Amino acid sequence: DTGVSQNPRHKITKRGQNVTFRCDPISEHNRLYWYRQTLGQGPEFLTYFQNEAQLEKSRLLSDRFSAERPKGSFSTLEIQRTEQGDSAMYLCASSPQTGLFAEAFFGQGTRLTVV
Amino acid sequence: AQSVTQPDIHITVSEGASLELRCNYSYGATPYLFWYVQSPGQGLQLLLKYFSGDTLVQGIKGFEAEFKRSQSSFNLRKPSVHWSDAAEYFCAVAPKTSYDKVIFGPGTSLSVIP
Repeated sequence: DTGVSQNPRHKITKRGQNVTFRCDPISEHNRLYWYRQTLGQGPEFLTYFQNEAQLEKSRLLSDRFSAERPKGSFSTLEIQRTEQGDSAMYLCASSPQTGLFAEAFFGQGTRLTVV
Repeated sequence: AQSVTQPDIHITVSEGASLELRCNYSYGATPYLFWYVQSPGQGLQLLLKYFSGDTLVQGIKGFEAEFKRSQSSFNLRKPSVHWSDAAEYFCAVAPKTSYDKVIFGPGTSLSVIP
């Protein structure tokens, strides 16, 4: 297993367009997280899944954002009608479900630039 | 409000010198505490974590951190820095109820000069 994989690594899009990112977690990891990281800031929690169920959504996740994990494996994050403020690094992480806390492994991220 | 502060935006140290990165948190109760490192082009990697017990925790790559409840601090240290330690370091906290609401600090960028 090569870790958490995110695609694409970079995405440049025009304002108003829709974009979709994909995250492939480490196999057999039940939990999957999405974070957003803007320049000079730490990652901000967006949402997380336990298997296919989306259990938590941050208030940062506006109606233009939607995340899915249809079969409890890979996940997609879609942003509709992108705005310049959406430009950021989108990070995905996964962890096994073992007690209250298990180390989350992060992917390298997808860098989105909205022009 | 829950928050994590890292007072130093950028630090430069000489290779072989000691390092201390500061972290302070504001939380209702003592949370879980973490330090992550993010190298250019790499994902975030967990360096160490504190849950309870011994307030001095050892991590990977020769790092350690000390939890001080009275100061609400969790500073990261390394006795001798290597050039490969140049990276962005993030302090993070999470409530003891779950990992779901991890709050990251703004990060400290570390440069290492030969």
